[in-house]
Amino acid sequence: DAGVIQSPRHEVTEMGQEVTLRCKPISGHNSLFWYRQTMMRGLELLIYFNNNVPIDDSGMPEDRFSAKMPNASFSTLKIQPSEPRDSAVYFCASSRTLDYGYTFGSGTRLTVV
Amino acid sequence: AQRVTQPEKLLSVFKGAPVELKCNYSYSGSPELFWYVQYSRQRLQLLLRHISRESIKGFTADLNKGETSFHLKKPFAQEEDSAMYYCALKGRNYTGANSKLTFGKGITLSVRP
Repeated sequence: DAGVIQSPRHEVTEMGQEVTLRCKPISGHNSLFWYRQTMMRGLELLIYFNNNVPIDDSGMPEDRFSAKMPNASFSTLKIQPSEPRDSAVYFCASSRTLDYGYTFGSGTRLTVV
Repeated sequence: AQRVTQPEKLLSVFKGAPVELKCNYSYSGSPELFWYVQYSRQRLQLLLRHISRESIKGFTADLNKGETSFHLKKPFAQEEDSAMYYCALKGRNYTGANSKLTFGKGITLSVRP
């Protein structure tokens, strides 16, 4: 089992550009979560899906952020346009159901200059 | 609403010293508490969960509902324990379904030789 796979591992982009982060959950896991990690705020839940359906997106900071899960094996988090304050490590996690523990990916370190 | 408070950002101890990482929570229902660990530039990993009542890598944590705390303890710290530690809470709503995992802001443990 390769675990939760995120790509890219690192992303450096200029302010105003569109950024797309990708996540492949563990096969058979029905729940997927996007978290953002910063020094100031720690780990913040942005959005989570259950059976490909968004359940709670109240953590999405603003309209510039959007997330999709077109099928059980893939999710994207998009920022358009990106801003320097979006710089953070973005983690994806999956779990078998909402009742199970989470498995985290290695994260994407985003730097917006 | 559910909230996790880790009052300290950094704890620095010498090897062999006891460690206590504090965690307090706020939740009106029956919570499930976890500790996650993140070693330098690695993904978050589950360290332990209160329902398991187990000791992992010498760490233990007891849920104290009266004090709404879930402090992480280890009697003798090792250098390899140096990492970021996050306390997390998952709640159960009145239908029994678990809700999302909410993290504290984390604490950096530094164990010096």
